Amino acid sequence: GQQLNQSPQSMFIQEGEDVSMNCTSSSIFNTWLWYKQDPGEGPVLLIALYKAGELTSNGRLTAQFGITRKDSFLNISASIPSDVGIYFCAGQLKNAGGTSYGKLTFGQGTILTVHP
Amino acid sequence: NAGVMQNPRHLVRRRGQEARLRCSPMKGHSHVYWYRQLPEEGLKFMVYLQKENIIDESGMPKERFSAEFPKEGPSILRIQQVVRGDSAAYFCASSPLLSVGETQYFGPGTRLLVL
Repeated sequence: GQQLNQSPQSMFIQEGEDVSMNCTSSSIFNTWLWYKQDPGEGPVLLIALYKAGELTSNGRLTAQFGITRKDSFLNISASIPSDVGIYFCAGQLKNAGGTSYGKLTFGQGTILTVHP
Repeated sequence: NAGVMQNPRHLVRRRGQEARLRCSPMKGHSHVYWYRQLPEEGLKFMVYLQKENIIDESGMPKERFSAEFPKEGPSILRIQQVVRGDSAAYFCASSPLLSVGETQYFGPGTRLLVL
């Protein structure tokens, strides 16, 4: 089955610094999603990417869907303490008809710690 | 607009008991997905359901686990004769009936602890 390799596993940064994390896959995905999970909660969708090469921003967050459709990155600019959490990438396939296979394949997560 | 709801949030069971986890999708969403998350790991897909139909159960263990999404009421993930290895967080997600960009929205999860 598909596997996503997410890196880095963890990051310790100072408030105000920029952050970058990425996901790579041996398989092609049609959709890439980035989620954030706080302790004891479910993942919350940050950014969704639907086209190869697409670059999308959501406030201080920017994500790109790689041209090869096998990778994606997420950047967070000017980090703040509330950015602390676990960030997950997820990929989704679509069939030839354009409908989804449904299931998401998740990366292992990047644990972000922001020091004030 | 209420999000995905799951209950209970925490569930403690002894080995051999049954666990029932419930999920109510967002209003207007007809697709439900269940995922399992072990400590310090990513989420792993279990099953994908639409109303009264199991679409993909490729991630479900072959024994003791079952899922349903009836015409009325929440989706249920049922684990029979639980073992310690079933201890995990179980998340439900839902998405609307769209052909493109079926973004999944997650509930808060049920933390199952098997003693």
